[in-house]
Amino acid sequence: EVQLVESGGGLVQPGESLRLSCTASGFPFSAYSMSWVRLAPGKGLEWVSFIGTSDTTLYYADSVKGRFTISRDNAKNSLYLQMNSLRAEDTAVYYCASCSVWPGAFDIWGQGTMVTVSS
Amino acid sequence: DIVMTQSPDSLAVSLGERATINCKSSQSVLYNSNNKNYLAWYRQKPGQPPKLLIYWASTRESGVPDRFSGSGSGTDFTLTISSLQAEDVAVYYCQQYFSPRYTFGQGTKLEIK
Repeated sequence: EVQLVESGGGLVQPGESLRLSCTASGFPFSAYSMSWVRLAPGKGLEWVSFIGTSDTTLYYADSVKGRFTISRDNAKNSLYLQMNSLRAEDTAVYYCASCSVWPGAFDIWGQGTMVTVSS
Repeated sequence: DIVMTQSPDSLAVSLGERATINCKSSQSVLYNSNNKNYLAWYRQKPGQPPKLLIYWASTRESGVPDRFSGSGSGTDFTLTISSLQAEDVAVYYCQQYFSPRYTFGQGTKLEIK
């Protein structure tokens, strides 16, 4: 079964850091580009970051550029999002997502992990 | 970045009636070399991840009921639900994947009238 499982969410104070993980199974992770997408309370979906099959192709939304870092460990079938200098507006459910055919729409999604930034 | 704009922001439709959601991109998402529109539609229900409904602007994902259809090309796209069912209550998003700096529309909340 194709599956993505996120972890690492939680409650942090503004300015703190958090590292999200996404573990893949059921498909050849190393051959798939990956993305993080978030859904803030009362808002719409926002694409956050993209990483290609290697770690040389990286893209970030302007809202997180310079604060968030995406990475992957193909040996561990894992995707990461290091989030630094967190702000209240980063509060959201964070999903990892991928497309089974490149280029393509996101047909593989995790269940999400909640990040709350509050003092 | 490509900006995606949906209309309306919310929509109330009677059961069995047609629902239409529009999406406009700030630049064309039609790739001339393969004549494909890099445009997808998703449905998201509370507490669930988004579900892919339509890709390449008009191709239904496997298992998606045929009451869902997508149309359009270039910068203007439409998602149509031909006969609204109760389980279709959700927020619907369009997304472009023409650029790996993916962008979503702001969402359209669909309710039962």
